[in-house]
Amino acid sequence: AQSVAQPEDQVNVAEGNPLTVKCTYSVSGNPYLFWYVQYPNRGLQFLLKYITGDNLVKGSYGFEAEFNKSQTSFHLKKPSALVSDSALYFCAVRDILTGGGNKLTFGTGTQLKVEL
Amino acid sequence: DTEVTQTPKHLVMGMTNKKSLKCEQHMGHRAMYWYKQKAKKPPELMFVYSYEKLSINESVPSRFSPECPNSSLLNLHLHALQPEDSALYLCASSQDKGATGGSYEQYFGPGTRLTVT
Repeated sequence: AQSVAQPEDQVNVAEGNPLTVKCTYSVSGNPYLFWYVQYPNRGLQFLLKYITGDNLVKGSYGFEAEFNKSQTSFHLKKPSALVSDSALYFCAVRDILTGGGNKLTFGTGTQLKVEL
Repeated sequence: DTEVTQTPKHLVMGMTNKKSLKCEQHMGHRAMYWYKQKAKKPPELMFVYSYEKLSINESVPSRFSPECPNSSLLNLHLHALQPEDSALYLCASSQDKGATGGSYEQYFGPGTRLTVT
């Protein structure tokens, strides 16, 4: 079974500093990996994905993620954090369903808190 | 446009009521999903529809009944719910098999906050 792990429940960072939210994965075959962000009382917003190609993936709101096959990691990064980045972040891996559609398996989530 | 809309935003219902949640997307996606999410937890997949047919039912109790009347709409009918069913219910959609150049990321609606009393 495919899975992702987010080892940190919470990450605190000062505004203007770089941030990293960690994710490791366990898959059979090639991984399809995603990052989503959730603000309070809102749905999940798609940030970025890794399918194939460059190991550095750029996404929305200045976020990027680095795919590392040897370390089975897909860490989310941003060079300069903003207070408005404070939210709950989920890493996910995709399974294709034989009956159609696809299944996202989410990590447990990491609460990012950016302070002034 | 990557918008998925859900109505209502909030719903309070008693354990004997019947209500429905609605979801709509106009991105031409042929896969649609219902998730249940408890506070600070990841979403849990409930149902998957592919080309208007039920693809996956993740062992959801029969008091939840999904319906996909056409390729843009997804409903979730609720009956005789329990207080533990109180949660945020999220709808999502994605491209499906047969889509050219698709990477199949899912786009989520804002959710319906359900409280069962």
